[in-house]
Amino acid sequence: ETGVTQTPRHLVMGMTNKKSLKCEQHLGHNAMYWYKQSAKKPLELMFVYNFKEQTENNSVPSRFSPECPNSSHLFLHLHTLQPEDSALYLCASSPPKGPQRSSYNSPLHFGNGTRLTVT
Amino acid sequence: SQKIEQNSEALNIQEGKTATLTCNYTNYSPAYLQWYRQDPGRGPVFLLLIRENEKEKRKERLKVTFDTTLKQSLFHITASQPADSATYLCASRGGATNKLIFGTGTLLAVQP
Repeated sequence: ETGVTQTPRHLVMGMTNKKSLKCEQHLGHNAMYWYKQSAKKPLELMFVYNFKEQTENNSVPSRFSPECPNSSHLFLHLHTLQPEDSALYLCASSPPKGPQRSSYNSPLHFGNGTRLTVT
Repeated sequence: SQKIEQNSEALNIQEGKTATLTCNYTNYSPAYLQWYRQDPGRGPVFLLLIRENEKEKRKERLKVTFDTTLKQSLFHITASQPADSATYLCASRGGATNKLIFGTGTLLAVQP
């Protein structure tokens, strides 16, 4: 149990479908992340949220739409995806940054990912 | 641009030997490096962090070194076991962007 739960674990969707990935963390962290992991490539950062505010969008296509309703939950809404979007999508969390807490080098806590296949 | 590179070739070693994995960085000077382990179908799990002013860090059978002259970190597993077989990732925050960037990982296979 990593403390970060992702659902579903596997998802197959057609290019015209709309689906959502869900991430939930119970670690008391305030920063949450979406990463994409494709074979033979480094983890690619997609989005970062700090205290529910999006602080980073790493030039991600608009067919990926994140939502962070509170510090414990993160969603990734998917629509009109392409086959090259097939990958493992990982959610992660970390303690908040701020003067009171030195979290600059805090490790990330990852979920086990959603394996997405776009047909 | 800032880069972290790991040997993409799989490392095969015999049980009981020491495994050594390499992480090289270019075009920036990270204040620290992190190492993660990833098993198939799972997310990465944090193992160790080493700061630039630390030459070496140990945790049980794991040892990490940080050589700012060579721009390299080495990750060692002593007395390796088949259960150590996994992909090992290094990561650090890169320069001006401050993003946590990862290497591609090195697959370690420990043969019984």
